[in-house]
Amino acid sequence: ELKVEQNPLFLSMQEGKNYTIYCNYSTTSDRLYWYRQDPGKSLESLFVLLSNGAVKQEGRLMASLDTKARLSTLHITAAVHDLSATYFCAVDDGGDMRFGAGTRLTVKP
Amino acid sequence: EAGVVQSPRYKIIEKKQPVAFWCNPISGHNTLYWYRQNLGQGPELLIRYENEEAVDDSQLPKDRFSAERLKGVDSTLKIQPAELGDSAVYLCASSLVGLPETQYFGPGTRLLVL
Repeated sequence: ELKVEQNPLFLSMQEGKNYTIYCNYSTTSDRLYWYRQDPGKSLESLFVLLSNGAVKQEGRLMASLDTKARLSTLHITAAVHDLSATYFCAVDDGGDMRFGAGTRLTVKP
Repeated sequence: EAGVVQSPRYKIIEKKQPVAFWCNPISGHNTLYWYRQNLGQGPELLIRYENEEAVDDSQLPKDRFSAERLKGVDSTLKIQPAELGDSAVYLCASSLVGLPETQYFGPGTRLLVL
């Protein structure tokens, strides 16, 4: 069974700082997705990574995928308060997405 | 473009009562998913439809849960009877086709079973 692990599960950081969220998965997959969820809201798609070495950037967020290491990273550059949310990675598991537990990010002034 | 619509948004019931959730996917999306999200966890797939066909219902607790997607558009998820452990947010998502297309999620139905 595919297992998806995120770390850290909780992250508190100051505005202006950089940090990386990690997503490890246990079996081979070439497709990985990142979502954002605000409290009480639904999930919003951030990135779709479809091949080894894929890198995508949107604003202060950059996601990458290393399928050989079974690892994806979500890098936050110069964090701002608006980035406070829970971030989920999800891995293609034979046509279905399997989600990690999420990383709850709080950005403090 | 309208997003995925779900109703009701909130539901409080007593255990052993039935409950139903409704989902209207984005127009033209053939694939529809139902997920359950427990507090502090990621969504877990319950069932995936491609048009009218349930192609993956392996995680659906079939003794009390049922789902249907008539005419390949709207879908209903039912629980009968509900148990305390069913308290969660039930999310519906849709995509044009299956993976690798990203999924678009609805706002969810927050269920509380007392």
